[in-house]
Formats: sequence, C-alpha cells, structure tokens
Amino acid sequence: KAGVTQTPRYLIKTRGQQVTLSCSPISGHRSVSWYQQTPGQGLQFLFEYFSETQRNKGNFPGRFSGRQFSNSRSEMNVSTLELGDSALYLCASSLGNRGVQDEQYFGPGTRLTVT
Amino acid sequence: SQQGEEDPQALSIQEGENATMNCSYKTSINNLQWYRQNSGRGLVHLILIRSNEREKHSGRLRVTLDTSKKSSSLLITASRAADTASYFCATDAWASGGGADGLTFGKGTHLIIQP
Repeated sequence: KAGVTQTPRYLIKTRGQQVTLSCSPISGHRSVSWYQQTPGQGLQFLFEYFSETQRNKGNFPGRFSGRQFSNSRSEMNVSTLELGDSALYLCASSLGNRGVQDEQYFGPGTRLTVT
Repeated sequence: SQQGEEDPQALSIQEGENATMNCSYKTSINNLQWYRQNSGRGLVHLILIRSNEREKHSGRLRVTLDTSKKSSSLLITASRAADTASYFCATDAWASGGGADGLTFGKGTHLIIQP
C-alpha cells in the first residue's frame, strides 16, 4: 500500500500570498489531520477531518483552513501568508473513526518558506 | 501550548546501551503515543498505550504509563546507530465540544547513538 503523500514537497511564497497544500491519505483511511512543525513551537495540531467534516481545530487563526473530499484527500489553505508561517506542514491519516486516538501515519511533509 | 514535555532534551549513548526517555503531560488523556522522526523516514509511529494500560512492549521498545503522575517513559534496549532520531510523545484528550482533541506533541528528545 502506498503511504501518505503530500504535494508539493517544497514551496517558496511571498508575504501576503496564499498557498494550498495537498494530502492523499493511505487508501481506506478516512481521518486526515494536519500539523505545523517549527523549531520554536514544535509540532502543533491544526485540524482533523473525517468523512468530509472538520471534527476538531487547533489554536490557529482563521487564515488557516482546510477541507476534505469524498475520496478522503485533503487540502489545507493558508491565506495572507506571514513570515511566521514558514514551517514543515505534516499530514497524517488513520484508519478508523477514532481519528487521532489511533496510530497516525504521517506523510513526508511540505516545507513552506515565506519570504 | 505543549501538553507533553520530554526529558532529557538530548541524549547521547554508545551503541548497545539502553536509552530511556521520559514524558510528562498536564491533563487527563485517552491515550499516549510515541513517535520517532529522522530526516530519512519522517515521523513514524512507534507505540500507543491507552490510559488504562500500565506497560506495553514492542520489539526492543518498552513503554510505561503512570496516569497518577501524568508521566510516561520509553525504553529502547540494545540501541543501534539506526535509532538515532528525535523521539516525541503525543497525547490526546477529549475536546470540550465532544470527540477527541488533536494530538499534542512534546518538544522531543534528540537521541544520538555513538558507534
């Protein structure tokens, strides 16, 4: 089975722009979560989707949004980029409806640099 | 804010020795998970221990959980050079709106295995 894939792997954007990141979960996985990883704040939960519904959201501003499609693929969007949004964005999927309570399979991440 | 805090922040040992890492957390949890991250393989799930379990084994890994002290430990026996990585504990708790909150990660322990 193919693992979690994320595209693009690397991205450079300018302040004020917006960006969309994509995540394809492992086949059959219905829960998709997104995390931001920075050297200063570590790994922080952004949101989790299950069956196209956002079940939980972390403590991030409204500039960060996401969605999930009927095939479980997910996208996250960051609008009006700030320098502090530079980070590794990780997507994770899990099999059952317990979401984050189950083993998470992480993708390789998208490295976003905002200049 | 970080729920889990790993200790020590960094650990360097000789190949073949055992490595012990500790994790403390602040609120009641459903489960506690340990993950490993290195540049080659990204973030990988190691073991999940539920709040009603006290100890769990997986190969060379042994995890303990003490909910009264809100702490967990990860023991890696007979360490190998390939174990060099950062190790994170992650907890999940019930969100106030129902359902599980996202995983909350600690800052991690960076483990270096000297050949």
